[in-house]
Amino acid sequence: GNSVTQMEGPVTLSEEAFLTINCTYTATGYPSLFWYVQYPGEGLQLLLKATKADDKGSNKGFEATYRKETTSFHLEKGSVQVSDSAVYFCALFSGQAGTALIFGKGTTLSVSS
Amino acid sequence: ETGVTQSPTHLIKTRGQQVTLRCSSQSGHNTVSWYQQALGQGPQFIFQYYREEENGRGNFPPRFSGLQFPNYSSELNVNALELDDSALYLCASSLFAGASGGAGYFGPGTRLTVL
Repeated sequence: GNSVTQMEGPVTLSEEAFLTINCTYTATGYPSLFWYVQYPGEGLQLLLKATKADDKGSNKGFEATYRKETTSFHLEKGSVQVSDSAVYFCALFSGQAGTALIFGKGTTLSVSS
Repeated sequence: ETGVTQSPTHLIKTRGQQVTLRCSSQSGHNTVSWYQQALGQGPQFIFQYYREEENGRGNFPPRFSGLQFPNYSSELNVNALELDDSALYLCASSLFAGASGGAGYFGPGTRLTVL
């Protein structure tokens, strides 16, 4: 079945450090891939997405490239801020009607000044 | 354009009770999906409603049931509550059930605590 595996956290960084959060997936067909962010006490916000191989999603300085050959969708940011502290979820959507997002377990990012 | 709203924000129930959670979808969206997010875990798919019909279900027992109304708002009902039902319940609305952009827009969630 379809699944998503994320690197375990927490990830603790200093402000302006480089961020990578690894995400790999298992899926049949050609899923769409997503990164969501969840701030404390809040719901999920879509951060970025990619719908086909080699697509790069980007938003707010975050980037992720859909790599079909390595079944990966790693999240990166060149310079993190304290306000980026949150839980990040990688997810996939198989694109078939009646299906839903499949999420990883989430990675907690803590950025200190 | 209004976003996805959920009510109530927080809820405390005891084992064996029943609960109803509500979700108003984003304007123009005809699909609502419900997810359960246990503490420290990723959201797990419960079910999806498309134009008032159930259109997919995750690995949840029948005591989890739902409804979607003509205005596309939705309810999640849970009977015979168990301690493990304590979680954040999220709904997401989208324009079309099968779209690759079907990630949808999430509401802020309802925090259910079962004592």
